[in-house]
Amino acid sequence: DAGVTQSPTHLIKTRGQQVTLRCSPKSGHDTVSWYQQALGQGPQFIFQYYEEEERQRGNFPDRFSGHQFPNYSSELNVNALLLGDSALYLCASSLGHATGNSPLHFGNGTRLTVT
Amino acid sequence: DQQVKQNSPSLSVQEGRISILNCDYTNSMFDYFLWYKKYPAEGPTFLISISSIKDKNEDGRFTVFLNKSAKHLSLHIVPSQPGDSAVYFCAATEYTGTASKLTFGTGTRLQVTL
Repeated sequence: DAGVTQSPTHLIKTRGQQVTLRCSPKSGHDTVSWYQQALGQGPQFIFQYYEEEERQRGNFPDRFSGHQFPNYSSELNVNALLLGDSALYLCASSLGHATGNSPLHFGNGTRLTVT
Repeated sequence: DQQVKQNSPSLSVQEGRISILNCDYTNSMFDYFLWYKKYPAEGPTFLISISSIKDKNEDGRFTVFLNKSAKHLSLHIVPSQPGDSAVYFCAATEYTGTASKLTFGTGTRLQVTL
Protein backbone atom coordinates (compact mmCIF):
# COMPACT_ATOMS: atom_id res chain seq x y z
CA ASP A 1 0.00 0.00 0.00
CA ALA A 2 1.90 3.04 -1.30
CA GLY A 3 1.89 6.05 0.93
CA VAL A 4 2.08 9.67 -0.20
CA THR A 5 4.79 10.14 -2.80
CA GLN A 6 6.33 13.46 -3.80
CA SER A 7 8.67 14.41 -6.62
CA PRO A 8 11.28 15.62 -6.96
CA THR A 9 12.96 15.19 -3.57
CA HIS A 10 15.29 18.13 -4.06
CA LEU A 11 15.23 21.10 -6.42
CA ILE A 12 17.40 24.17 -6.94
CA LYS A 13 15.95 27.17 -8.77
CA THR A 14 16.95 30.77 -9.42
CA ARG A 15 15.00 33.82 -8.30
CA GLY A 16 12.23 34.72 -10.75
CA GLN A 17 11.87 31.19 -12.09
CA GLN A 18 8.82 28.99 -11.83
CA VAL A 19 8.60 25.55 -10.22
CA THR A 20 6.14 22.64 -10.24
CA LEU A 21 6.05 20.06 -7.47
CA ARG A 22 4.08 16.84 -7.72
CA CYS A 23 2.24 14.63 -5.29
CA SER A 24 0.45 11.28 -5.44
CA PRO A 25 -1.86 10.67 -2.50
CA LYS A 26 -2.05 7.51 -0.43
CA SER A 27 -4.19 4.85 -2.06
CA GLY A 28 -7.86 5.43 -1.27
CA HIS A 29 -7.43 9.10 -0.37
CA ASP A 30 -9.18 11.83 -2.34
CA THR A 31 -8.04 15.05 -0.67
CA VAL A 32 -4.63 16.67 -1.00
CA SER A 33 -3.21 19.48 1.11
CA TRP A 34 0.06 21.34 0.64
CA TYR A 35 2.24 22.76 3.40
CA GLN A 36 5.39 24.86 3.44
CA GLN A 37 7.91 24.22 6.21
CA ALA A 38 10.62 26.83 6.58
CA LEU A 39 13.72 26.03 8.59
CA GLY A 40 12.98 25.88 12.32
CA GLN A 41 9.25 26.37 11.80
CA GLY A 42 6.20 24.18 11.77
CA PRO A 43 4.45 23.37 8.50
CA GLN A 44 2.28 26.24 7.22
CA PHE A 45 -0.95 25.45 5.34
CA ILE A 46 -0.92 26.57 1.70
CA PHE A 47 -4.15 25.09 0.31
CA GLN A 48 -6.33 22.00 0.08
CA TYR A 49 -7.80 20.33 -3.00
CA TYR A 50 -10.84 18.10 -3.12
CA GLU A 51 -12.84 17.07 -6.20
CA GLU A 52 -10.34 18.98 -8.34
CA GLU A 53 -11.19 22.27 -6.65
CA GLU A 54 -9.31 24.45 -4.19
CA ARG A 55 -11.42 24.21 -1.02
CA GLN A 56 -9.40 26.22 1.46
CA ARG A 57 -6.41 28.51 1.20
CA GLY A 58 -3.88 29.68 3.74
CA ASN A 59 -2.13 33.03 3.86
CA PHE A 60 -0.05 32.63 0.72
CA PRO A 61 0.13 34.96 -2.32
CA ASP A 62 -1.36 34.15 -5.72
CA ARG A 63 2.11 33.15 -6.92
CA PHE A 64 1.26 29.85 -5.26
CA SER A 65 -1.27 27.87 -7.28
CA GLY A 66 -2.27 24.27 -7.55
CA HIS A 67 -4.19 21.68 -9.39
CA GLN A 68 -5.77 18.33 -8.66
CA PHE A 69 -6.24 15.73 -11.37
CA PRO A 70 -9.06 13.18 -11.77
CA ASN A 71 -6.80 10.47 -10.28
CA TYR A 72 -6.48 12.68 -7.13
CA SER A 73 -2.82 13.49 -7.72
CA SER A 74 -1.84 17.11 -7.35
CA GLU A 75 0.65 19.76 -8.41
CA LEU A 76 1.89 22.83 -6.60
CA ASN A 77 3.13 25.66 -8.81
CA VAL A 78 5.11 28.63 -7.58
CA ASN A 79 5.77 31.55 -9.96
CA ALA A 80 8.33 34.36 -9.71
CA LEU A 81 10.35 32.54 -7.05
CA LEU A 82 11.78 34.54 -4.17
CA LEU A 83 14.66 33.61 -1.88
CA GLY A 84 12.09 33.32 0.92
CA ASP A 85 10.34 30.50 -0.93
CA SER A 86 13.22 28.21 0.00
CA ALA A 87 11.63 25.55 2.22
CA LEU A 88 10.48 21.98 2.52
CA TYR A 89 7.17 21.55 0.71
CA LEU A 90 5.00 18.82 2.16
CA CYS A 91 2.04 17.16 0.53
CA ALA A 92 -0.53 15.42 2.71
CA SER A 93 -3.52 13.32 1.77
CA SER A 94 -6.69 12.31 3.55
CA LEU A 95 -10.09 10.85 2.86
CA GLY A 96 -12.50 13.78 2.59
CA HIS A 97 -12.74 16.07 5.59
CA ALA A 98 -9.73 15.40 7.80
CA THR A 99 -10.47 15.19 11.49
CA GLY A 100 -8.69 13.70 14.43
CA ASN A 101 -10.19 10.38 13.43
CA SER A 102 -8.84 10.71 9.90
CA PRO A 103 -5.46 12.37 10.24
CA LEU A 104 -3.36 13.60 7.36
CA HIS A 105 -0.73 11.32 5.85
CA PHE A 106 2.35 13.22 4.76
CA GLY A 107 4.91 12.57 2.06
CA ASN A 108 8.61 13.07 2.69
CA GLY A 109 8.56 16.46 1.03
CA THR A 110 10.39 18.34 -1.70
CA ARG A 111 13.30 20.48 -0.55
CA LEU A 112 13.28 23.65 -2.69
CA THR A 113 16.30 25.94 -2.66
CA VAL A 114 16.05 29.32 -4.41
CA THR A 115 19.36 31.02 -5.18
CA ASP B 1 -0.48 35.29 14.52
CA GLN B 2 0.66 32.01 16.05
CA GLN B 3 -2.53 30.14 16.96
CA VAL B 4 -0.67 27.04 18.14
CA LYS B 5 2.43 27.57 20.27
CA GLN B 6 5.12 25.22 21.49
CA ASN B 7 7.30 27.31 23.75
CA SER B 8 9.99 24.71 24.37
CA PRO B 9 12.15 24.23 21.29
CA SER B 10 13.95 21.27 22.83
CA LEU B 11 13.72 18.72 25.62
CA SER B 12 16.17 16.10 26.84
CA VAL B 13 14.96 13.11 28.88
CA GLN B 14 16.64 9.97 30.14
CA GLU B 15 15.53 6.62 28.79
CA GLY B 16 12.78 5.13 30.93
CA ARG B 17 11.64 8.47 32.32
CA ILE B 18 8.54 10.46 31.39
CA SER B 19 8.66 12.99 28.55
CA ILE B 20 6.14 15.84 28.75
CA LEU B 21 5.68 18.05 25.72
CA ASN B 22 3.49 21.12 26.03
CA CYS B 23 1.35 23.12 23.63
CA ASP B 24 -0.84 26.21 23.97
CA TYR B 25 -3.47 27.48 21.55
CA THR B 26 -5.58 30.60 21.11
CA ASN B 27 -8.38 29.62 18.70
CA SER B 28 -11.51 28.39 20.48
CA MET B 29 -12.88 26.97 17.21
CA PHE B 30 -10.34 24.15 17.02
CA ASP B 31 -12.23 20.84 17.12
CA TYR B 32 -9.40 18.30 17.20
CA PHE B 33 -5.86 18.40 18.50
CA LEU B 34 -3.16 16.14 17.15
CA TRP B 35 0.46 15.30 17.75
CA TYR B 36 2.78 14.45 14.89
CA LYS B 37 6.30 13.09 15.09
CA LYS B 38 8.95 13.95 12.51
CA TYR B 39 12.28 12.28 11.85
CA PRO B 40 14.89 14.01 9.66
CA ALA B 41 14.29 13.65 5.91
CA GLU B 42 10.81 12.25 6.50
CA GLY B 43 7.36 13.78 6.56
CA PRO B 44 5.45 14.13 9.83
CA THR B 45 3.67 10.98 10.99
CA PHE B 46 0.50 10.99 13.04
CA LEU B 47 0.91 9.94 16.67
CA ILE B 48 -2.25 10.58 18.67
CA SER B 49 -5.23 12.92 18.70
CA ILE B 50 -7.93 14.17 21.04
CA SER B 51 -11.33 15.65 20.40
CA SER B 52 -12.06 19.05 21.89
CA ILE B 53 -14.86 17.47 23.95
CA LYS B 54 -12.50 15.08 25.72
CA ASP B 55 -9.82 15.75 28.31
CA LYS B 56 -7.64 12.65 27.92
CA ASN B 57 -6.75 10.10 25.29
CA GLU B 58 -4.35 7.23 25.77
CA ASP B 59 -2.62 4.96 23.27
CA GLY B 60 0.03 2.66 24.67
CA ARG B 61 2.94 4.74 25.97
CA PHE B 62 1.39 7.97 24.68
CA THR B 63 -1.24 10.03 26.50
CA VAL B 64 -2.57 13.43 25.48
CA PHE B 65 -4.25 15.71 28.01
CA LEU B 66 -6.44 18.66 27.07
CA ASN B 67 -7.31 21.56 29.38
CA LYS B 68 -9.81 23.65 27.43
CA SER B 69 -10.17 26.36 30.04
CA ALA B 70 -6.43 26.97 29.92
CA LYS B 71 -6.23 26.34 26.15
CA HIS B 72 -3.39 23.94 26.88
CA LEU B 73 -2.55 20.40 25.88
CA SER B 74 0.30 18.10 26.67
CA LEU B 75 1.73 14.85 25.39
CA HIS B 76 3.12 12.38 27.91
CA ILE B 77 5.42 9.57 26.80
CA VAL B 78 6.02 6.87 29.41
CA PRO B 79 8.50 5.25 29.43
CA SER B 80 10.62 7.25 26.99
CA GLN B 81 12.74 5.24 24.56
CA PRO B 82 15.71 6.28 22.39
CA GLY B 83 13.57 5.72 19.26
CA ASP B 84 11.27 8.48 20.48
CA SER B 85 13.97 11.04 19.69
CA ALA B 86 12.41 13.25 17.02
CA VAL B 87 10.70 16.60 16.53
CA TYR B 88 7.15 16.62 17.88
CA PHE B 89 4.56 18.97 16.41
CA CYS B 90 1.35 19.92 18.11
CA ALA B 91 -1.43 20.64 15.62
CA ALA B 92 -5.10 21.59 15.66
CA THR B 93 -7.91 21.35 13.14
CA GLU B 94 -10.68 23.79 12.41
CA TYR B 95 -13.50 22.95 10.02
CA THR B 96 -14.38 26.08 8.06
CA GLY B 97 -17.49 24.70 6.37
CA THR B 98 -15.70 23.86 3.14
CA ALA B 99 -12.57 22.15 4.37
CA SER B 100 -10.63 21.21 7.42
CA LYS B 101 -7.42 23.13 8.00
CA LEU B 102 -4.57 21.84 10.14
CA THR B 103 -2.49 24.44 12.01
CA PHE B 104 0.89 23.40 13.40
CA GLY B 105 3.06 24.65 16.21
CA THR B 106 6.78 25.22 15.71
CA GLY B 107 7.81 21.88 17.17
CA THR B 108 9.77 20.54 20.14
CA ARG B 109 12.89 18.47 19.55
CA LEU B 110 12.92 15.56 21.99
CA GLN B 111 16.16 13.77 22.73
CA VAL B 112 16.00 10.59 24.77
CA THR B 113 19.39 9.76 26.22
CA LEU B 114 20.68 6.40 27.42
